[in-house]
Amino acid sequence: DTAVSQTPKYLVTQMGNDKSIKCEQNLGHDTMYWYKQDSKKFLKIMFSYNNKELIINETVPNRFSPKSPDKAHLNLHINSLELGDSAVYFCASSQAGVSNTGELFFGEGSRLTVL
Amino acid sequence: GNSVTQMEGPVTLSEEAFLTINCTYTATGYPSLFWYVQYPGEGLQLLLKATKADDKGSNKGFEATYRKETTSFHLEKGSVQVSDSAVYFCALQNTGGFKTIFGAGTRLFVKA
Repeated sequence: DTAVSQTPKYLVTQMGNDKSIKCEQNLGHDTMYWYKQDSKKFLKIMFSYNNKELIINETVPNRFSPKSPDKAHLNLHINSLELGDSAVYFCASSQAGVSNTGELFFGEGSRLTVL
Repeated sequence: GNSVTQMEGPVTLSEEAFLTINCTYTATGYPSLFWYVQYPGEGLQLLLKATKADDKGSNKGFEATYRKETTSFHLEKGSVQVSDSAVYFCALQNTGGFKTIFGAGTRLFVKA
């Protein structure tokens, strides 16, 4: 049973198109994240939601819009795709709170290629 | 702000060699420290963690000790295997916080 699953795994599209990536977790966690990993493997946080509320938005262009319909789901919609958006996007989840160490559980990633 | 610095790779070792990957951090307060591993084509997974000073995290023969005095959390393994080839990320998170900060990652190649 996959803990954090994201779809699609691969996405190839043209510049200017709009695309979405979906993420679901079955761990009962209350916090979900989107991270972007570039070609040099550098990992950068984009967004975080806690109990469906946006709590981190890391100077990401407005073309990126996350949406969390419930605690178990976090989707990422990208408008007007650009070449620089090509990357692997990782969804992750954790359980927040002072008593938790904040370990992240990652999905397998969605590789986006913009042509 | 918080930050993590780890040694640049790639690191290439022969099987059964000793591994050290250096990691230092800058943080306010008392963060938790992590090592994550990413195997080819996969997402990151937790390798080990330490939540307070002098704690030692260990897993699968890897270990790291939380050193507050040197703000370090170096990863070590006594005898690496080909299957350890992966990218290793050092990370920190302030207790109760939502933001995990990652280092740039260190790629390890182990030759048979």
